[in-house]
Amino acid sequence: DQQVKQNSPSLSVQEGRISILNCDYTNSMFDYFLWYKKYPAEGPTFLISISSIKDKNEDGRFTVFLNKSAKHLSLHIVPSQPGDSAVYFCAASLIGGSQGNLIFGKGTKLSVKP
Amino acid sequence: EAGVAQSPRYKIIEKRQSVAFWCNPISGHATLYWYQQILGQGPKLLIQFQNNGVVDDSQLPKDRFSAERLKGVDSTLKIQPAKLEDSAVYLCASSLVAGSQLPGAADTQYFGPGTRLTVL
Repeated sequence: DQQVKQNSPSLSVQEGRISILNCDYTNSMFDYFLWYKKYPAEGPTFLISISSIKDKNEDGRFTVFLNKSAKHLSLHIVPSQPGDSAVYFCAASLIGGSQGNLIFGKGTKLSVKP
Repeated sequence: EAGVAQSPRYKIIEKRQSVAFWCNPISGHATLYWYQQILGQGPKLLIQFQNNGVVDDSQLPKDRFSAERLKGVDSTLKIQPAKLEDSAVYLCASSLVAGSQLPGAADTQYFGPGTRLTVL
């Protein structure tokens, strides 16, 4: 039973345009969400996070939006650059419960074309 | 600052053989995690250490997998005997603390490059 779902295995975007990566979750107890970026042959790299008390968090070109009622979050990358091409993982955790145990989605492979 | 180190990077073994992976976390990080990432899936937590104590090993197949973190620094993950379905990338991660009430930079998990295991 997948608690964190990324339903789009891949996404292709033109350089300079917006990339929107989506993530859905089923466990209403999750209250901290993260996005990780992964290049081939490397480990995942933390990108941005959001606590459930917020609905938006922004860091440069990256913005994460959280809709708790829909159990949905999205990562926006504006403008997209070829170097953003990677696999993006959505992850969720239970604060104070599992003490940092992250539940990951399957990932979305983003390709940004020049 | 040096990142999380793992070795070996690649390992090929036959089923029923044993294998061990090593991880050196970022200096000063109290929490260490081992994840298994099967092709096409996201990482799945196998075991979490806080210093040298086990916090969560609920998803570790204890009949064949074992892990230790002696002296609260380096860690080893062992598989004995290996099965075909153990073929995966084994990722080690560390964080400064875990489960704080105010999540932020201290909770961020930093991953190593992983060890790709192929069981034939």
